[in-house]
Amino acid sequence: RKEVEQDPGPFNVPEGATVAFNCTYSNSASQSFFWYRQDCRKEPKLLMSVYSSGNEDGRFTAQLNRASQYISLLIRDSKLSDSATYLCAVREIKAAGNKLTFGGGTRVLVKP
Amino acid sequence: GAGVSQSPSNKVTEKGKDVELRCDPISGHTALYWYRQSLGQGLEFLIYFQGNSAPDKSGLPSDRFSAERTGGSVSTLTIQRTQQEDSAVYLCASSRSGAVYEQYFGPGTRLTVT
Repeated sequence: RKEVEQDPGPFNVPEGATVAFNCTYSNSASQSFFWYRQDCRKEPKLLMSVYSSGNEDGRFTAQLNRASQYISLLIRDSKLSDSATYLCAVREIKAAGNKLTFGGGTRVLVKP
Repeated sequence: GAGVSQSPSNKVTEKGKDVELRCDPISGHTALYWYRQSLGQGLEFLIYFQGNSAPDKSGLPSDRFSAERTGGSVSTLTIQRTQQEDSAVYLCASSRSGAVYEQYFGPGTRLTVT
């Protein structure tokens, strides 16, 4: 089983609709969680950190469920410009360092 | 301010040649990471530098891969005797020290081994 897993999609979303997707992680010692957005042939860009109590940034809402070991991202009122691959990243706190383990990404296509 | 920069943006090399990829992190960021992303794949951790501590090399796929960070700033990733399976985008990221700080990525170097 992969350490961090995502549904690859694509999620085809009508413009203006809401879409949500999850990311599951296998290591219960994971401490920090992030969502990144990656456009085709570009580098990942940080979208938001995920806090234990959940957090919202405009149309984007991130949640953490430690009991079931997953994080989620919800996008409201989808825009054409939201079309991208969304990568979740998980950090384990280890003595030797704090690498991020990424999921394979969920592709979202927003259509008119 | 300036973000993470990487050079070259593209590199085509022949199988068996050595390549060097450069990363210049965000000023003031003490942590630096190298990842690679193969076509259609997720990001794979390679190596992590934090200040003057010994680097975490646990992700390097073979002893053909090495990296150094001079003066706590610029880093160079070296791949010796390149193979076709080394073809990927090599991404560098930096962050402030500490576990809670987010990583910011550079634009990457697209390496093609022919």
